[in-house]
Amino acid sequence: GAVVSQHPSWVICKSGTSVKIECRSLDFQATTMFWYRQFPKQSLMLMATSNEGSKATYEQGVEKDKFLINHASLTLSTLTVTSAHPEDSSFYICSAREGGNEKLFFGSGTQLSVL
Amino acid sequence: QKEVEQNSGPLSVPEGAIASLNCTYSDRGSQSFFWYRQYSGKSPELIMFIYSNGDKEDGRFTAQLNKASQYVSLLIRDSQPSDSATYLCAVNIGNQFYFGTGTSLTVIP
Repeated sequence: GAVVSQHPSWVICKSGTSVKIECRSLDFQATTMFWYRQFPKQSLMLMATSNEGSKATYEQGVEKDKFLINHASLTLSTLTVTSAHPEDSSFYICSAREGGNEKLFFGSGTQLSVL
Repeated sequence: QKEVEQNSGPLSVPEGAIASLNCTYSDRGSQSFFWYRQYSGKSPELIMFIYSNGDKEDGRFTAQLNKASQYVSLLIRDSQPSDSATYLCAVNIGNQFYFGTGTSLTVIP
């Protein structure tokens, strides 16, 4: 299957700082990327959908000014958690799909811990 | 409302048995269907996808789709302890994917 690379795998930061997570499609062009967060023993929660070159579409209840998403190229999307707080601690996962391909491939995830 | 329902389990089966996982969906516009496996602390991994009614087999895995009844299932034959994970059902509608809450499977040696 297609490869989606996500970095970093884990990050620990102080409250109030910003954290950037990168998601790259390595062997295909991802016209659409999705960002999820997942709390322990819970299912995936879709945060936003981003299409290359356009603004991300955020799900209800997700603060767009706090979770900044940039999809500047067909192979890279970034999620920046701004002014992180302990309640933002979670497992963040990106996924990507190739244009015309119905399959969705996931990055390896980023475990964020905010102290 | 685009709902995908799964029994959260936990589902326990002995090693070598058949594990049966079920999923129902509410939107008849659903186009394609996926099963993902997620180990604890890891991201989901695609294991099966199916578009048409009927069965699709891949190794020990068989996906079954019944669009009239709006359900999709996953059978795992000769279950192994390494199959112990959470299995997520996903449905594709347009540009969106909708996930169930997952079924936790434990294969007992």
